[in-house]
Amino acid sequence: GQQVMQIPQYQHVQEGEDFTTYCNSSTTLSNIQWYKQRPGGHPVFLIQLVKSGEVKKQKRLTFQFGEAKKNSSLHITATQTTDVGTYFCAASMNYGGSQGNLIFGKGTKLSVKP
Amino acid sequence: ETGVTQTPRHLVMGMTNKKSLKCEQHLGHNAMYWYKQSAKKPLELMFVYNFKEQTENNSVPSRFSPECPNSSHLFLHLHTLQPEDSALYLCASSQEDGLGLGYTFGSGTRLTVV
Repeated sequence: GQQVMQIPQYQHVQEGEDFTTYCNSSTTLSNIQWYKQRPGGHPVFLIQLVKSGEVKKQKRLTFQFGEAKKNSSLHITATQTTDVGTYFCAASMNYGGSQGNLIFGKGTKLSVKP
Repeated sequence: ETGVTQTPRHLVMGMTNKKSLKCEQHLGHNAMYWYKQSAKKPLELMFVYNFKEQTENNSVPSRFSPECPNSSHLFLHLHTLQPEDSALYLCASSQEDGLGLGYTFGSGTRLTVV
């Protein structure tokens, strides 16, 4: 079935260091979404990328969609303890702007040492 | 509150019990979903309802039975579950209009089958 591979599974950083998680698919994606789940919480929508090569920023977070629309990354600059959680990418194969049914990656669990 | 309310938050049930999980969304969305989240596994899509019509059943065992009486309410009826069904069950809703505002998840029901 359709799969979205996400790496790394875990990342431990010192506060202030940067962090990047990657999402890859063997098929071309219609769009990709990113979610954050705090420990004990539920996934919260961060952003959606639709266009080839698209780059979006939210404060210290930078999201990229690959030119071939088969991969994406989330980069956090100068991590803070509030960034702790699991970051999921979720991909849709549906076109026409519809989100369709999202396929979630396994997530990258980020821990930040103060 | 996210706009998607799930009850109960925690549930412990025996393998011979029958119980139901409830989800209610106050966002005016037209699609609702059940996801299962287990340790070390990605979020697994179980059921999808678009405009109250079930559009997907991802090979979910018949001991899980969904019900969507209207576009705001979603239930998951449980009977004769197995211990491996213990997991966090997440309800989500979305608006399928091409704006790409992501899924809104509820806080989940933490289910333990004993």
